Amino acid sequence: TQLLEQSPQFLSIQEGENLTVYCNSSSVFSSLQWYRQEPGEGPVLLVTVVTGGEVKKLKRLTFQFGDARKDSSLHITAAQPGDTGLYLCAGLGTGRRALTFGSGTRLQVQP
Amino acid sequence: DAGITQSPRHKVTETGTPVTLRCHQTENHRYMYWYRQDPGHGLRLIHYSYGVKDTDKGEVSDGYSVSRSKTEDFLLTLESATSSQTSVYFCAISAGSSYEQYFGPGTRLTVT
Repeated sequence: TQLLEQSPQFLSIQEGENLTVYCNSSSVFSSLQWYRQEPGEGPVLLVTVVTGGEVKKLKRLTFQFGDARKDSSLHITAAQPGDTGLYLCAGLGTGRRALTFGSGTRLQVQP
Repeated sequence: DAGITQSPRHKVTETGTPVTLRCHQTENHRYMYWYRQDPGHGLRLIHYSYGVKDTDKGEVSDGYSVSRSKTEDFLLTLESATSSQTSVYFCAISAGSSYEQYFGPGTRLTVT
């Protein structure tokens, strides 16, 4: 069984602060994805990283895939209230056709 | 918009009754998935389908069955609902080489 652990579980910060969310596993993944979910809605895909060491930027969000493809991080610069939500990482195991999701990080950005 | 709808959106049922949730897609995707979401557990895979009449179990499949007789519809059935099956259920399709998921709006199921 492949497990993904996210930390922290909860994060409450002020507008303008920076933050990092971590997604860790003992298993190797062929790719790793990040989703954001708002209350009452389904998760929405933010990014997919597939190469060890890969870094992708999406405006103020920076995603990194670990060199060994076992972990990933999401860094948000100058957080805004619109960044509030549940952030989920999900990994695709080698040869598999379904994702394993982490338990999520709930982020609240106070104005 | 991946054209995914779920019905019903909300349901309250009693313990021991059968329940069927429907997921409908409009874009002819091969892969469809059912998840449940509970506080502290993220999303857990129940079952998925890789084509008409082709399905496989996920990590929390006990107490659930699925059927897919048409490409566009994927049904999740709770044969005899229990209180532990109170949850929010999400359907998803996948598109892309990394099986990226596109989710429906969810069904909130309460078993009393």
